[in-house]
Amino acid sequence: ETGVTQSPTHLIKTRGQQVTLRCSSQSGHNTVSWYQQALGQGPQFIFQYYREEENGRGNFPPRFSGLQFPNYSSELNVNALELDDSALYLCASNRDSIYGYTFGSGTRLTVV
Amino acid sequence: KNEVEQSPQNLTAQEGEFITINCSYSVGISALHWLQQHPGGGIVSLFMLSSGKKKHGRLIATINIQEKHSSLHITASHPRDSAVYICALRTGNQFYFGTGTSLTVIP
Repeated sequence: ETGVTQSPTHLIKTRGQQVTLRCSSQSGHNTVSWYQQALGQGPQFIFQYYREEENGRGNFPPRFSGLQFPNYSSELNVNALELDDSALYLCASNRDSIYGYTFGSGTRLTVV
Repeated sequence: KNEVEQSPQNLTAQEGEFITINCSYSVGISALHWLQQHPGGGIVSLFMLSSGKKKHGRLIATINIQEKHSSLHITASHPRDSAVYICALRTGNQFYFGTGTSLTVIP
């Protein structure tokens, strides 16, 4: 079982729209990271938040943004959706980045 | 240029076989993770390594920091081990992922 819950599980959006994906982590998990996994590819690191501040970012444009909340939940926001944004979006959390990460089951986003 | 290279990309084994998946990397790391991803997308973190060797059940993970290489071994493989196995590196607050090794274990 996983202590990380992502919602929604599936989502269809139109090109140009904005989307918010949510991740609820285990209590005490003050580090959360987000990943994009295109079909048939390995995950790509989007960014990481630690205690509500972004402290690491991969090669993604600014239209990918995030928030982390004091209740150990977080959001990934994507503006101006493009067809290539269609992917599985995964979040993972842990405590203080020194323990193993717990992954959510992901949100599959389809942009049409 | 890929910071993480995994081999093989695809692997088919008979039930009971000993399996090895390799991961080579080119950057300095804080930790290396082995992940298991089943169809449908859910990822399970199997191991986090910064040195030496870890064992959990039939799974063994090793890392050689000097050679920048890690291996994941599965002993007495079983069809339920069929999944994609991903090597992931953490360098500071950056993460790099391999493209995964797709394992199929045939009964």
